[in-house]
Amino acid sequence: QQQVKQSPQSLIVQKGGISIINCAYENTAFDYFPWYQQFPGKGPALLIAIRPDVSEKKEGRFTISFNKSAKQFSLHIMDSQPGDSATYFCAASFETSGSRLTFGEGTQLTVNP
Amino acid sequence: NAGVTQTPKFRVLKTGQSMTLLCAQDMNHEYMYWYRQDPGMGLRLIHYSVGEGTTAKGEVPDGYNVSRLKKQNFLLGLESAAPSQTSVYFCASRGRVHTGELFFGEGSRLTVL
Repeated sequence: QQQVKQSPQSLIVQKGGISIINCAYENTAFDYFPWYQQFPGKGPALLIAIRPDVSEKKEGRFTISFNKSAKQFSLHIMDSQPGDSATYFCAASFETSGSRLTFGEGTQLTVNP
Repeated sequence: NAGVTQTPKFRVLKTGQSMTLLCAQDMNHEYMYWYRQDPGMGLRLIHYSVGEGTTAKGEVPDGYNVSRLKKQNFLLGLESAAPSQTSVYFCASRGRVHTGELFFGEGSRLTVL
């Protein structure tokens, strides 16, 4: 049972464009929503994260938008660059679960020059 | 500053063979995790540990065993490997804070023939 569903599976964007990746979750107990970025041959690394008490968080070109009522959150990458080409994973956790993260299926982003 | 180190990085096994993956972290983290990554399925939690001497099952624990005899090490064992266990395995660790960053190793690619 996939508790966090991510779309699209793959995404191709032109340099300078906006990349948008969406996630939906089922468990309303989730209270922490990070995004991880993974380059080929490497482990995932934390990119940005949000708690449900805010609707948006921005760090540089990366923004998380969070809609608690719809149980959805999304990653927006502004002015996408070829160096952003990677696999992106959304995730969710709640503290009483041992804080273990449940990951989405992943999105392979390609930014063409 | 090594972070999280996994050994071996690559391994080929025959069906029925056994092996152990070793994860070592030098950040004094309490929590450690083993995930497997398969195309289109994201990262799925196999087992995790919330402290030295403790282990717990994740989403997909069948066919795997783990041990956490020392705080810095988390071992993942396959007693009788099956082709379905062909995957990339990632170890991760983090501190006690619920929203703390998860630090991943670079992965161990296992092929079971």
